[in-house]
Amino acid sequence: DAGITQSPRHKVTETGTPVTLRCHQTENHRYMYWYRQDPGHGLRLIHYSYGVKDTDKGEVSDGYSVSRSKTEDFLLTLESATSSQTSVYFCAISKEGEKLFFGSGTQLSVL
Amino acid sequence: GQQVMQIPQYQHVQEGEDFTTYCNSSTTLSNIQWYKQRPGGHPVFLIQLVKSGEVKKQKRLTFQFGEAKKNSSLHITATQTTDVGTYFCADDKIIFGKGTRLHILP
Repeated sequence: DAGITQSPRHKVTETGTPVTLRCHQTENHRYMYWYRQDPGHGLRLIHYSYGVKDTDKGEVSDGYSVSRSKTEDFLLTLESATSSQTSVYFCAISKEGEKLFFGSGTQLSVL
Repeated sequence: GQQVMQIPQYQHVQEGEDFTTYCNSSTTLSNIQWYKQRPGGHPVFLIQLVKSGEVKKQKRLTFQFGEAKKNSSLHITATQTTDVGTYFCADDKIIFGKGTRLHILP
């Protein structure tokens, strides 16, 4: 498996609190992605990055921000978590135009 | 909204029966990718199709890319319990379909 690690694996938080999820890769891949997965919706792209400090919005970016200060790290931040952001979050990495490698996911519960 | 529509959403088959999932796009795609996600796991890449009319096989799995490069299919011959999971297609912007969940009845 590709060297991609998500942390934390599980998190429970309260509505209104800030939350940051981390994705770390050891593959030196240029592209990194954040998806959320919910029943009935499949995988939806939140944000992606095509290089250090280069990021763009995906399908469902409202309420989320990202940062990529180093090639290996891609952070997803929920500034003020809401119950609708309860989900499984997957990070993925890829070379340009090639297959995605996914992390193991983070289960986030917002109470 | 979603750029690729995937059908069916769910499929129950008896073990040994065949299974097919379809992916349709309103726009011409430069490529399409297929992934499999086992229950409780993360999506794993299966294949990428690039050429019009392309057909690729992986053991019991057959992948097709339509002539117009707007649709694709994944066909599994003689399903086994190891085929259980959700199969996703993803377009050239890495936007995923909603997936087809395959259940195998023993």
